[in-house]
Amino acid sequence: KAGVTQTPRYLIKTRGQQVTLSCSPISGHRSVSWYQQTPGQGLQFLFEYFSETQRNKGNFPGRFSGRQFSNSRSEMNVSTLELGDSALYLCASSFRNTGELFFGEGSRLTVL
Amino acid sequence: DQQVKQNSPSLSVQEGRISILNCDYTNSMFDYFLWYKKYPAEGPTFLISISSIKDKNEDGRFTVFLNKSAKHLSLHIVPSQPGDSAVYFCAASDGSSNTGKLIFGQGTTLQVKP
Repeated sequence: KAGVTQTPRYLIKTRGQQVTLSCSPISGHRSVSWYQQTPGQGLQFLFEYFSETQRNKGNFPGRFSGRQFSNSRSEMNVSTLELGDSALYLCASSFRNTGELFFGEGSRLTVL
Repeated sequence: DQQVKQNSPSLSVQEGRISILNCDYTNSMFDYFLWYKKYPAEGPTFLISISSIKDKNEDGRFTVFLNKSAKHLSLHIVPSQPGDSAVYFCAASDGSSNTGKLIFGQGTTLQVKP
């Protein structure tokens, strides 16, 4: 069974630009969550999608947005990038409501 | 406002000994707790969990203890192996928000020396 796939794995952007990250969940998983990991901050919850609907959102500014498609694949977008957006963005999918999230390897974003 | 805290950024133990990783939380609404392990360049992987109705859960070498009155949980690894060297995150969920949303601690880097 293929795991959670995130693309791209690495990317470099400059301030003011926007970025779109993609996530393909494990087959059969309908919930997709996104997390931001920065040094010293652990993993911070961005948002969760289930059946194309956002059902939870973390405390991030509106520059951070996402969506989920009918095949459960998800994208997140960050507009007007700031230096502080440099981070590892992790996508996770789940099947049952047990909190057992399956994470992808992440997309490492560097903002210059 | 750090609702889940791992106060020890790092821990070093000898192979074969016990590793104890600690986690404190502040939100009394949390009812489900999990531990994840993360190797460099990989995503976190689920390790073990515990519901608030229990005080202990075991899975092989891994045991999680929950002390609700102290709002404290710990992960015991016995015996520790060099392959256990990784960053360990504790996480919590309040259940009502569905479990795609977890609150994570900042992580503890465990080094197991051969």
